[in-house]
Amino acid sequence: DQQVKQNSPSLSVQEGRISILNCDYTNSMFDYFLWYKKYPAEGPTFLISISSIKDKNEDGRFTVFLNKSAKHLSLHIVPSQPGDSAVYFCAGRNTGNQFYFGTGTSLTVIP
Amino acid sequence: GAVVSQHPSWVICKSGTSVKIECRSLDFQATTMFWYRQFPKQSLMLMATSNEGSKATYEQGVEKDKFLINHASLTLSTLTVTSAHPEDSSFYICSALGGSGANVLTFGAGSRLTVL
Repeated sequence: DQQVKQNSPSLSVQEGRISILNCDYTNSMFDYFLWYKKYPAEGPTFLISISSIKDKNEDGRFTVFLNKSAKHLSLHIVPSQPGDSAVYFCAGRNTGNQFYFGTGTSLTVIP
Repeated sequence: GAVVSQHPSWVICKSGTSVKIECRSLDFQATTMFWYRQFPKQSLMLMATSNEGSKATYEQGVEKDKFLINHASLTLSTLTVTSAHPEDSSFYICSALGGSGANVLTFGAGSRLTVL
């Protein structure tokens, strides 16, 4: 049962433009959402998070938006840089403190 | 920042042998650790939740006798793949709650298991 879904397996964006990565979830009990960045053969690294009581959180070039009614969140990266090229995973946390991840979106930022 | 160390990073073993993977939180105490498995081009699949001093909680479909988890201290959790078979070949990643924040998982670098 895939509780978190990322329907776009890949995304290519020109350097300097905005990257928008999308994520949908089915579990209405998720109270916290996170985005992670992952390079091949490495563990994911934390990027940004948002509580379910908020609809936006911004940290530098990264902004996460949450639409609870649609069970949808998105990560905006602006401006995109070549170093942002990686696989991005979104995750939802349930009240039991378990984290469930989406299938990932591979972002390529073209110089 | 918080660091989770995972060892070994890569292990090759013969079918039928057992392999132990260690996960350590280096600069913080982790009462809860999580073990994930990632197949190529697929999501991180939660295998089990490891709680210090108690039995691990396994996700549906994960064989607890196959994947033994021990969390004997606040900084160490181990995953033992028993009687490994080629279909167990995968990328195993541990993570710990805390360190970078109470709500954030800090991941190890992962361990690639290849069973011949």
